[in-house]
Amino acid sequence: GQQVMQIPQYQHVQEGEDFTTYCNSSTTLSNIQWYKQRPGGHPVFLIQLVKSGEVKKQKRLTFQFGEAKKNSSLHITATQTTDVGTYFCAGRGRGSTLGRLYFGRGTQLTVWP
Amino acid sequence: EPEVTQTPSHQVTQMGQEVILRCVPISNHLYFYWYRQILGQKVEFLVSFYNNEISEKSEIFDDQFSVERPDGSNFTLKIRSTKLEDSAMYFCASSWDRSTSYEQYFGPGTRLTVT
Repeated sequence: GQQVMQIPQYQHVQEGEDFTTYCNSSTTLSNIQWYKQRPGGHPVFLIQLVKSGEVKKQKRLTFQFGEAKKNSSLHITATQTTDVGTYFCAGRGRGSTLGRLYFGRGTQLTVWP
Repeated sequence: EPEVTQTPSHQVTQMGQEVILRCVPISNHLYFYWYRQILGQKVEFLVSFYNNEISEKSEIFDDQFSVERPDGSNFTLKIRSTKLEDSAMYFCASSWDRSTSYEQYFGPGTRLTVT
């Protein structure tokens, strides 16, 4: 079945350092979404990428969708303690699985002040 | 801002008991979903629901599970005979449409503990 792999599983950074998490799908995705989950919380939608090669920015966050629509990345510039949480990518299936989100395992980000 | 709500926030049950998890999706949304997240693991799709029927389900969603929209606002997940491995956080989500244009909004989750 369809799988979405995400690395690294954990990342510990000093405040001010950059952070990147990578997502890779076994099949072509219709789109990819990124979510942030704070400890004890629920996934909160950050952004959606639909087009091949798309790049979107939200302040210090940069999201990319690969040309083949099989991989994606989230880059945070100059992390802050408020960035702490687990970042999940979630790929949207195609055809009959269009409604389903396939989540990556998540990257748990810890930021030291 | 409209949000998905779920009750209860925490449910403890004994193995073999039936549980019903409740969700109130965002009012004008048409598609509803259940996901689960076992502690420390990724979020997994269970089922999607549209127009009063299941539109898609995963391998996890076996005969022990059922979903229902008993009235115009609630969306429920029933587990008939709970097992220890059903212990997880269960998230309900809703979206206006299932197409790529529309994001899914997640509720705060119900933590199910099976003892």
